[in-house]
Amino acid sequence: DSGVTQTPKHLITATGQRVTLRCSPRSGDLSVYWYQQSLDQGLQFLIQYYNGEERAKGNILERFSAQQFPDLHSELNLSSLELGDSALYFCASSPRAGSPLHFGNGTRLTVT
Amino acid sequence: DAKTTQPPSMDCAEGRAANLPCNHSTISGNEYVYWYRQIHSQGPQYIIHGLKNNETNEMASLIITEDRKSSTLILPHATLRDTAVYYCIVRVAGSNFGNEKLTFGTGTRLTIIP
Repeated sequence: DSGVTQTPKHLITATGQRVTLRCSPRSGDLSVYWYQQSLDQGLQFLIQYYNGEERAKGNILERFSAQQFPDLHSELNLSSLELGDSALYFCASSPRAGSPLHFGNGTRLTVT
Repeated sequence: DAKTTQPPSMDCAEGRAANLPCNHSTISGNEYVYWYRQIHSQGPQYIIHGLKNNETNEMASLIITEDRKSSTLILPHATLRDTAVYYCIVRVAGSNFGNEKLTFGTGTRLTIIP
């Protein structure tokens, strides 16, 4: 158990809808990272937050947004969903810069 | 971040040592070598990391060549539960604002044979 909690584990929704994925980092970890893993793309970095502030951005679509709250949990919002957004979404956390990332077990999103 | 090259797949007999190679010939002096693994569709699991000295923990050993251009992850007594995709990643050490992420490649699919 990495200590990173992601909810829900599974999510099935229709095209055009909006969903919110939640991540609770390990206790004391200030950084949260979001990754997307689809069958044909591997693990792709989306975005990083550090103590509530956006720190780095990867290949995140404009339809996607994230935030980190004062209690350090993070949410990834996906809107106007398309079939191609079906993927595993992982959250990871680390206590400080340069520390290893620890990953949750992901949310499997299926868009029908 | 420096790129890494790993064999796409490897087999290892159960109970034997699994040696997973990784080339990172363009690694910079301030970059660490990290190893993660992903079992089926679970979240990637941190294994070990090192800068230039060999490292060992309860999961594995990491051997880095003197020129730091390649490394080997060693699982000393492989079990069926070690079947996974193993990722070798190079990452800048310490605080590097905006560049602290891990960049995953395609990894090595390790299959442990009973």
